[in-house]
Amino acid sequence: AQKITQTQPGMFVQEKEAVTLDCTYDTSDPSYGLFWYKQPSSGEMIFLIYQGSYDQQNATEGRYSLNFQKARKSANLVISASQLGDSAMYFCAMREGQIGSNYKLTFGKGTLLTVNP
Amino acid sequence: NAGVTQTPKFQVLKTGQSMTLQCAQDMNHNSMYWYRQDPGMGLRLIYYSASEGTTDKGEVPNGYNVSRLNKREFSLRLESAAPSQTSVYFCASSEPYGRASNTEAFFGQGTRLTVV
Repeated sequence: AQKITQTQPGMFVQEKEAVTLDCTYDTSDPSYGLFWYKQPSSGEMIFLIYQGSYDQQNATEGRYSLNFQKARKSANLVISASQLGDSAMYFCAMREGQIGSNYKLTFGKGTLLTVNP
Repeated sequence: NAGVTQTPKFQVLKTGQSMTLQCAQDMNHNSMYWYRQDPGMGLRLIYYSASEGTTDKGEVPNGYNVSRLNKREFSLRLESAAPSQTSVYFCASSEPYGRASNTEAFFGQGTRLTVV
């Protein structure tokens, strides 16, 4: 079974509107972290936002927020007020393990977001 | 501050040739990783090194070897390249979980490898 599932291969949004990118995960470890990365057409991987499994509040970073629903095992990325520069591939990733364990990220297959003017 | 630097950025190999991808980080991170990215597959872990002197297999290690030369450098070697190894390769580094609450991985700019 896939550990990270991104069900939307592609998404379209109008400039200035909000968009939600879906991510569900599968783990039996009580300690885990969820990450979102952005990959523009230039290819680099840009870290956006992090949510820890024990965090009480949903993470926010500027226009990015993470809708964390632990019971549903979902960690959706919400981008508010979309900009043309938000057009990119977005990856959800998970790190499992207790404190002190090695850090390995498992990635989903990604969602290609296109922002239309 | 360069972060994670990979060389080369592009490479074309013939089937059966060997090559080494180089990676260096200047953030004093303990852990380093090699991923490959294929269309529709996301990033998959090839090998990782939790700390200097240790290496472990990831999800797709077959056909690859690694060397953690020192704390800064982690190289990936293809001994006999195959067309199935055509991919974009990313090196990354991080601190192990527990050093900070937000231990994201920092990525190099990638190496686009084509095996013909």
